[in-house]
Amino acid sequence: DGGITQSPKYLFRKEGQNVTLSCEQNLNHDAMYWYRQDPGQGLRLIYYSQIVNDFQKGDIAEGYSVSREKKESFPLTVTSAQKNPTAFYLCASSVYRDSNQPQHFGDGTRLSIL
Amino acid sequence: GESVGLHLPTLSVQEGDNSIINCAYSNSASDYFIWYKQESGKGPQFIIDIRSNMDKRQGQRVTVLLNKTVKHLSLQIAATQPGDSAVYFCAENLSRTYKYIFGTGTRLKVLA
Repeated sequence: DGGITQSPKYLFRKEGQNVTLSCEQNLNHDAMYWYRQDPGQGLRLIYYSQIVNDFQKGDIAEGYSVSREKKESFPLTVTSAQKNPTAFYLCASSVYRDSNQPQHFGDGTRLSIL
Repeated sequence: GESVGLHLPTLSVQEGDNSIINCAYSNSASDYFIWYKQESGKGPQFIIDIRSNMDKRQGQRVTVLLNKTVKHLSLQIAATQPGDSAVYFCAENLSRTYKYIFGTGTRLKVLA
């Protein structure tokens, strides 16, 4: 089955530690996205990538970093500079070059502070 | 535990009744709209979409209505079932841009 796989499902971060969230898709989608979801708020865009080796900051990129070395993979690193990292993180992908296509989402990673 | 869904408006409906969930979108230039369903601990799942050149689109048990005059979107679910219990939210998009704007969502509770 085609889809988006996020791992791990739960992640705990210690003070001063960087952690990396994995996102892999086998939908052959060009574009990939990372969102943060907090209670009572809509999804907020962290980073997005339209093609391999290219990515752009979203609305809340501070304290996060990404890479896009392969079409299938778009890992997100939450750095120690992100002072409020506790949230539910969602990865999505879409067929960028075609207009009017929905984003497809993974099942998320819940990050908490130890 | 569940973090999504706290402080959200809640719609409670009896099993078998029809549900109507509303969404006000923000950008009058948006021309593509999507409804998602999100169950506890899972990612959003695509339900139905509509382009701005339409005002109604039907799927299996679901209908989306678009009113561009007042920037309003609604999702109608026919014969609501217990499995429909979830958080529902809308998204808007301006074609050929990366930008999707997501609503905060409505929790649907189906009463047996």
